[in-house]
Amino acid sequence: ETGVTQSPTHLIKTRGQQVTLRCSSQSGHNTVSWYQQALGQGPQFIFQYYREEENGRGNFPPRFSGLQFPNYSSELNVNALELDDSALYLCASSIGGQSELFFGEGSRLTVL
Amino acid sequence: EDQVTQSPEALRLQEGESSSLNCSYTVSGLRGLFWYRQDPGKGPEFLFTLYSAGEEKEKERLKATLTKKESFLHITAPKPEDSATYLCAVQAGYNQGGKLIFGQGTELSVKP
Repeated sequence: ETGVTQSPTHLIKTRGQQVTLRCSSQSGHNTVSWYQQALGQGPQFIFQYYREEENGRGNFPPRFSGLQFPNYSSELNVNALELDDSALYLCASSIGGQSELFFGEGSRLTVL
Repeated sequence: EDQVTQSPEALRLQEGESSSLNCSYTVSGLRGLFWYRQDPGKGPEFLFTLYSAGEEKEKERLKATLTKKESFLHITAPKPEDSATYLCAVQAGYNQGGKLIFGQGTELSVKP
């Protein structure tokens, strides 16, 4: 069984740039959630995708956007990067209607 | 407002010294309470889900319990490999698109 995989693992951007993070869900999982984790804090919910549609969103501005593809993989896009966007971005997959989330290793974004 | 608070923020134990981690929550209709383990630079690893007060679950040296206001993660005779940050999260009963609300975590260090 293949777990959740994320890419890239680390990346450095400058303020104002745009970034795309990618996630492949665990085999058999059709729901993908994205979380932002600042250093020393718990993860914060960004949004969730189910059947290629956004199924819930946290308190993040519209410059955070996402996509889910027919194979259930997903992308997180962040435009106009700010210094405070520096964080570990976590993707988690689950089976629609079930709550147990299985996380990937994360993408560490540094904004300079 | 839905909220999760974990205590202590950090805990240092000697190998074999049993202890408990606390997770206090305020949520509008608890749908589930989750415990995760997170190693440095890694994504959270799912441990337990608890759904109703009085429920208990065990896995190796870990035992999770749930009341109407809090959850405890009991660690019996811990080993150095149990060192990690333990995260507690809740999901509310109303439709939040699978959103989990995390606490800030308890960083556990077990010395040999």
